[in-house]
Amino acid sequence: AQKVTQAQTEISVVEKEDVTLDCVYETRDTTYYLFWYKQPPSGELVFLIRRNSFDEQNEISGRYSWNFQKSTSSFNFTITASQVVDSAVYFCALSVVNAGNMLTFGGGTRLMVKP
Amino acid sequence: GAVVSQHPSRVICKSGTSVKIECRSLDFQATTMFWYRQFPKQSLMLMATSNEGSKATYEQGVEKDKFLINHASLTLSTLTVTSAHPEDSSFYICSASDPNTEAFFGQGTRLTVV
Repeated sequence: AQKVTQAQTEISVVEKEDVTLDCVYETRDTTYYLFWYKQPPSGELVFLIRRNSFDEQNEISGRYSWNFQKSTSSFNFTITASQVVDSAVYFCALSVVNAGNMLTFGGGTRLMVKP
Repeated sequence: GAVVSQHPSRVICKSGTSVKIECRSLDFQATTMFWYRQFPKQSLMLMATSNEGSKATYEQGVEKDKFLINHASLTLSTLTVTSAHPEDSSFYICSASDPNTEAFFGQGTRLTVV
């Protein structure tokens, strides 16, 4: 069985601060995908990134960056120079190839960015 | 990316009535669709997996007779909440994929049972 843990349930920062959201996962499968989604108050899930288990390269996209470390089973997400519009719930998720595209979600981290 | 359309986005119904939620893949054929439920301030939990032309597979604790899933075509899956009660009030969201793509999510349906 798969498990995703987001230890931080809520984070509050002031605008322009950097913030890192932690994600730790568990799986016995060797081939899997890791995801991050943003869920604004409207509810829809906004896809941010997908990373496969064989690609440990860190990725940067604008103010967003991701750090994937298989050794610690972590896939952390950093927002640089946070903005009020970044306020949302962020979910880390895992899918294993053997289970198709079914996602196991972490509990989510609610990020509040104050002006 | 691919588009998955979910309808309605919001629905309010009376206790005891049934509600149907549709999930459509607009530009690809979805052999598999997943239905998730999210209670307020909680995470998304998988309810069931549906494969086109076959019966859905339900997760433990999800009543198949209460949450009817039909995946009659490669572009449409429906979830019917039968005899809805206030405790069924939740956010329901579908995702769709084919064997070669990742899963794409619909916009979600916020169900309120009064």
